[in-house]
Amino acid sequence: KAGVTQTPRYLIKTRGQQVTLSCSPISGHRSVSWYQQTPGQGLQFLFEYFSETQRNKGNFPGRFSGRQFSNSRSEMNVSTLELGDSALYLCASSSGGQAKNIQYFGAGTRLSVL
Amino acid sequence: AQKITQTQPGMFVQEKEAVTLDCTYDTSDPSYGLFWYKQPSSGEMIFLIYQGSYDQQNATEGRYSLNFQKARKSANLVISASQLGDSAMYFCAMPLGYQKVTFGTGTKLQVIP
Repeated sequence: KAGVTQTPRYLIKTRGQQVTLSCSPISGHRSVSWYQQTPGQGLQFLFEYFSETQRNKGNFPGRFSGRQFSNSRSEMNVSTLELGDSALYLCASSSGGQAKNIQYFGAGTRLSVL
Repeated sequence: AQKITQTQPGMFVQEKEAVTLDCTYDTSDPSYGLFWYKQPSSGEMIFLIYQGSYDQQNATEGRYSLNFQKARKSANLVISASQLGDSAMYFCAMPLGYQKVTFGTGTKLQVIP
């Protein structure tokens, strides 16, 4: 069974640009969550989607948005990039039926903003 | 509010020895779960073990076991017979709601040959 796939693995952008990251969950998983990981702030929850609906959201500005498609694949978009957006972005999938489902993570997308 | 605390920024262990990574938590929810994840330098978060608050026994998964002390609100990870491949960051985590997981600050484990 294939794991969680995130593309691309690495991205280099400049300030002011926008970026879209993609996440394909484990087959059969309907929940996709996104996290930002930085040395200073650690792992922070961005948002979670289940059956194309956002169910939960962290404390990030509106420049961070996401969506989920009918096949459960998810995309995350960051507009007007800032230097502080440089981070490892991790996607996790789970069956999503209950809050305590185990989340399985992808390898992440490492974003560098210059 | 739920909170996870990992007080050991870094740990060293000799190969083939056991090591305990500490995790304490705070929650008012009577039903909760705790996860441990491993993050190698490659970046991927690897699920290791899960403990539910109402589980009768401490969780075990191969060389990983959880020393769960509910009254002390601690869920320490024990790795037996350490291997060089165990060198990584280890995170304790707790779900807060719909798939929103809060993580501790992590412990960097280095296994010495």
